[in-house]
Amino acid sequence: DTEVTQTPKHLVMGMTNKKSLKCEQHMGHRAMYWYKQKAKKPPELMFVYSYEKLSINESVPSRFSPECPNSSLLNLHLHALQPEDSALYLCASSQFSTGDQPQHFGDGTRLSIL
Amino acid sequence: QKEVEQDPGPLSVPEGAIVSLNCTYSNSAFQYFMWYRQYSRKGPELLMYTYSSGNKEDGRFTAQVDKSSKYISLFIRDSQPSDSATYLCAMGETGANNLFFGTGTRLTVIP
Repeated sequence: DTEVTQTPKHLVMGMTNKKSLKCEQHMGHRAMYWYKQKAKKPPELMFVYSYEKLSINESVPSRFSPECPNSSLLNLHLHALQPEDSALYLCASSQFSTGDQPQHFGDGTRLSIL
Repeated sequence: QKEVEQDPGPLSVPEGAIVSLNCTYSNSAFQYFMWYRQYSRKGPELLMYTYSSGNKEDGRFTAQVDKSSKYISLFIRDSQPSDSATYLCAMGETGANNLFFGTGTRLTVIP
């Protein structure tokens, strides 16, 4: 079992739906991340939160909206997604958002857009 | 040229073999090096973390870093079928907010 918990594990949604992905960590980490991973590709960074503030948005379309309600929780709100958004969405955390910190990943949410 | 290059494989070896997985990089600012293992339908799991040149050993796994050649390796001794997974290298630099990942090597250990 990983120390970063993501829910749901699987999600199927239509292009007009609104849904949210959730991530929780209890390691006391102050940095949290959202990644998108397509099959046979490495994780692709989407957002970085540091001390609950958004510090990096890698030019992600506005149909993805992150939220960090507190230091343990990270949400990703989804709206009007496209079929090409189907992927594994991974959450990760690290002690701080610096390059010397290893990141710890959850098992992801597998998202399918119909 | 990508900042981190990793042979995508796939790599198939018999059980008990020694496996060598490698990454090269071009950015001399990278100082921190990680190896992750990712099973199918799971998230990446941190295997090894090192920040100095030389070797670091953990059980059957040895991480090797050669900063002068900008080359890192992960060795797996006495490979087991349970080692079958995709292995990702990742690198970080001081002051950066993110890690740079290799493309991953798919490994299959045949019983």
